[in-house]
Formats: sequence, structure tokens, C-alpha cells
Amino acid sequence: AQSVAQPEDQVNVAEGNPLTVKCTYSVSGNPYLFWYVQYPNRGLQFLLKYITGDNLVKGSYGFEAEFNKSQTSFHLKKPSALVSDSALYFCAVRDVSNTGKLIFGQGTTLQVKP
Amino acid sequence: EAQVTQNPRYLITVTGKKLTVTCSQNMNHEYMSWYRQDPGLGLRQIYYSMNVEVTDKGDVPEGYKVSRKEKRNFPLILESPSPNQTSLYFCASARRGGTEAFFGQGTRLTVV
Repeated sequence: AQSVAQPEDQVNVAEGNPLTVKCTYSVSGNPYLFWYVQYPNRGLQFLLKYITGDNLVKGSYGFEAEFNKSQTSFHLKKPSALVSDSALYFCAVRDVSNTGKLIFGQGTTLQVKP
Repeated sequence: EAQVTQNPRYLITVTGKKLTVTCSQNMNHEYMSWYRQDPGLGLRQIYYSMNVEVTDKGDVPEGYKVSRKEKRNFPLILESPSPNQTSLYFCASARRGGTEAFFGQGTRLTVV
């Protein structure tokens, strides 16, 4: 069965420090992977995606993610966190049989403290 | 501006009173879907539509109905809402063969 796991409910980091939000996946075949962010009282905003090519993917707001096939991971990273990055982050994989459908992880709340 | 629009944003209703949440997209996307978001569970797909007049169940369809009479609209209908349908609902659209989905701003539904 296809699945996505985000092992941390919450990640706390100080402003200016690097941040990592973890994601692992299980899918047959080549995965299409995504990160979305949800700010309070807002919808989901697309951050970045991995389809093929370079394992390091760059996205919006200075975020990047590293695809690791051997570890089946797609961790979200940012070199220097901002207080405004505080939000709920979702990792997702595209369903191989229902290609419009996304399978989401549980979500990780990122708290960046000044 | 390309967007997915949901209405209402917030809704409190009573058990058994039929309601409809509207969703409209202006990107001419073929694929539309509804998700519900619950704490600790992420987002789960309720129903989806590959095109006009083509709809199918997602992972948690019980208690919901949808219709796709026009390409741009995909309303979610709760014929007899129950408290376990209290949740945050998102509509999404995507281009056929495309990759990322575009989401509406969400509808927070409370059923008392």
C-alpha cells in the first residue's frame, strides 16, 4: 500500500538556524513527491515537487528538499529559518493508480522562535 | 488570478440539516477532488472527478455526495450531516497529466 509518514508532530527551531522536516514514503515505482504548507486560516500552498532529475529540489520561500531513493525519504530543508516559516507542513505522494490523487502524511507543525 | 474558490469558509450546522459546500476553479482543470483534514490524519480524499459527469469515491466517501455538471464546479453535498463530519474540508483541482494540485482555502465545518 502506498503511504507517507512524517515522524515528527512538531519541529522547533530558532530563527536563523537550519531546519529539517522529515518525510518518508512507500510507493511502487517512481514516486512523484510534493511538499505543501498551510498557514493559519489559509489553504494549502504548493512549495515544491520531485518528479525526476536532480535529487535536490528547490522551491518557494527558500525551501528545498532532498530526494533519497535508497532511504525512501524526501526531507524538507531550509538553511536559515524565519519566524514567518511557522506553519503546518504536509508531505504527499501522487497515487500511482489514481494520478490526480495525493496521499498525504500526517503533517508536521514547524515552530520557529525568535 | 488562477484559483480554487470554496464557499463558505466557515459553517456551523445541526445534525441532519442538508448542506452544500461549493467549489469552483478557473484553470480549466479536468481533475477535481475533495479532501478532509483531521488532526493526526493528514488529508484524506473523499471524492474525485476526472471530468464532467465522471465522479468516483475516494478513501472516505461515506456520508458525502458530489456532482460535476460543469467543468469548473464540484460541489460537496452532505445530505444528513453528523458530528463525525466536523472537519476542515479542502477542494483541489489539477490538470490531467499534470503534477501538483491547487487547493482552495478550506471550509471549516462544525456539526452539532
